[in-house]
Amino acid sequence: DSGVTQTPKHLITATGQRVTLRCSPRSGDLSVYWYQQSLDQGLQFLIQYYNGEERAKGNILERFSAQQFPDLHSELNLSSLELGDSALYFCASSGGSGRETQYFGPGTRLLVL
Amino acid sequence: AQTVTQSQPEMSVQEAETVTLSCTYDTSESDYYLFWYKQPPSRQMILVIRQEAYKQQNATENRFSVNFQKAAKSFSLKISDSQLGDAAMYFCAYGNAGGTSYGKLTFGQGTILTVHP
Repeated sequence: DSGVTQTPKHLITATGQRVTLRCSPRSGDLSVYWYQQSLDQGLQFLIQYYNGEERAKGNILERFSAQQFPDLHSELNLSSLELGDSALYFCASSGGSGRETQYFGPGTRLLVL
Repeated sequence: AQTVTQSQPEMSVQEAETVTLSCTYDTSESDYYLFWYKQPPSRQMILVIRQEAYKQQNATENRFSVNFQKAAKSFSLKISDSQLGDAAMYFCAYGNAGGTSYGKLTFGQGTILTVHP
């Protein structure tokens, strides 16, 4: 157990819908990272937050957004869902702003029908 | 942009034997860090080992060790005394140590390791 929690574990929804994935970092960690793992794109970095502020951005679609709250949990919002958004979404956390080891949560498996 | 390449889609090893997984990366940076992560069938991403680019000494964690060749941009993982529980997908990852992508991990495509009893 990495100490990073993600809810829900599984999510099934329809095209055009909106979902919210939630992540709680390890106790004391200030950074949260979101990654997407799909069959065709592999593991891709989406976005990083550090202590409530956006720190780095990767291949995140405009339909996707994230935020980190004062209690340091983070949410990834996916809207206007398409079939291609079906993937495993990981949250990871680390102690500081970047160099520390990232510990991954169990992931949320999203299926868009 | 950095890229990470794992040229072995699949590898297999007999239990108790040694296997080496390959990884190469491309970067123009001098300071960075590298990881191997393991992803078993549960899909959980588990840290195996970490290497700092500024350290010449190769990292070791129990049965896992790396061969880090900075000039060649090569970072291979050696698993000694392989166990059935080592069967998983293994990902090599590059971590930015500065700049606007500080903290971002770039992953290779993964290598599926099968361990035969």
